[in-house]
Amino acid sequence: EVQLVESGGGLEQPGGSLRLSCAASGFSFSSYAMSWVRQAPEKGLEGVAVIGASGGSTYYVDSVKGRFTISRDNSKNTLYLQMNSLRVEDMAIYYCAKPVRGLVIDVFDVWGQGTVVTVSS
Amino acid sequence: EIVMTQSPVTLSVSPGERATLSCRASQSVSSNLAWYQQKPGQAPRLLIYGASTRATGIPARFSGSGSGTEFTLTISSLQSEDFALYYCQQYNTWFTFGGGTKVEIK
Repeated sequence: EVQLVESGGGLEQPGGSLRLSCAASGFSFSSYAMSWVRQAPEKGLEGVAVIGASGGSTYYVDSVKGRFTISRDNSKNTLYLQMNSLRVEDMAIYYCAKPVRGLVIDVFDVWGQGTVVTVSS
Repeated sequence: EIVMTQSPVTLSVSPGERATLSCRASQSVSSNLAWYQQKPGQAPRLLIYGASTRATGIPARFSGSGSGTEFTLTISSLQSEDFALYYCQQYNTWFTFGGGTKVEIK
């Protein structure tokens, strides 16, 4: 069974840092680009960051550029999102998502259960 | 950024009736358009991609159409499990989502 399991969310103050992880199983992780998508409370979905299959290419939505870093460890089948200089507007459920065709820009057929990031003083 | 606009925001439909949801892109996305269903407390579920191709395991009552800037998701006969939030997503340039349409029981 293809599965994604996120962890690492929690409560952090504005300006603080968090590192999210996403453990993947049931597919050839190293052959797929991977993404982080977030959903703010009572809001829609927003693509946050994408990383290529080898980890050599990364892409970010403008609002997180310079603050967030997406990375992966293919030997551990794990995706990461390092979030620094957190802002109140970063508060959301963060999902990792697997693309259907493994491409950097694609649709997502498998999603994790999400991890909640709360930013508040 | 390509802005995706969904309408209506809320759609009230009786079970067994047809539901038609719309999604408009601020510029052409060709056929690079997907639809997702989301229920409370759950992650989104892929329904349609390539504007009209059903994802694996999706019932035939779900169908998608359109290209360029105008897209439609049709649910031919609403079942109880279909009452949920629906999002469109373009993946032509980066990937952006619409604001969602809530399909509720009339």
